[in-house]
Amino acid sequence: AQSVTQLGSHVSVSEGALVLLRCNYSSSVPPYLFWYVQYPNQGLQLLLKYTTGATLVKGINGFEAEFKKSETSFHLTKPSAHMSDAAEYFCAVSEVNYGGSQGNLIFGKGTKLSVKP
Amino acid sequence: NAGVMQNPRHLVRRRGQEARLRCSPMKGHSHVYWYRQLPEEGLKFMVYLQKENIIDESGMPKERFSAEFPKEGPSILRIQQVVRGDSAAYFCASSPGASGNTIYFGEGSWLTVV
Repeated sequence: AQSVTQLGSHVSVSEGALVLLRCNYSSSVPPYLFWYVQYPNQGLQLLLKYTTGATLVKGINGFEAEFKKSETSFHLTKPSAHMSDAAEYFCAVSEVNYGGSQGNLIFGKGTKLSVKP
Repeated sequence: NAGVMQNPRHLVRRRGQEARLRCSPMKGHSHVYWYRQLPEEGLKFMVYLQKENIIDESGMPKERFSAEFPKEGPSILRIQQVVRGDSAAYFCASSPGASGNTIYFGEGSWLTVV
């Protein structure tokens, strides 16, 4: 069975500092991996996704993540935090089924990012 | 191009009443997914539908919950005889359905059972 573990339910960084949000997954087949961001009382917005190919994936708002199969990890990073990055971040995994649809996503419990001035 | 539209955004129901949550997928999308987010939890998959078909309902509670996606009109998630534990945010997502496509989430419907 697939699962996602996000280490640290809360992460606090200073503005301009490196952001590192950790995600480890388990999957019996090559996974599709995703990072979503959620602002208060809003839906989820896709930051980036890994399907196949290059293991370093660049997303929106300066975020990127690297798929490391040997470590079963997909950590999210951003070189310099901005106040507007404060939100909750969710890592998710899916196996391709339903004829290719990625809709059955398994989410981690989320990491709340705080950015201090 | 309008995104995934959910309504109502906020719904308050008394215990024992029925809740109906609606979702209109993005234009051109024929696949709809419902997720539930309990407080301090990540999203949990509930059900996956295509037009007039339930493809996967493995995440749906066995009782009181049902979902449909008719040929015409929005997808509806129906919760009968609501209990306090049903209080949560319910998110709908849609995709075109072709291989490799990303799903797009709506802004959610927050159900409060009092």
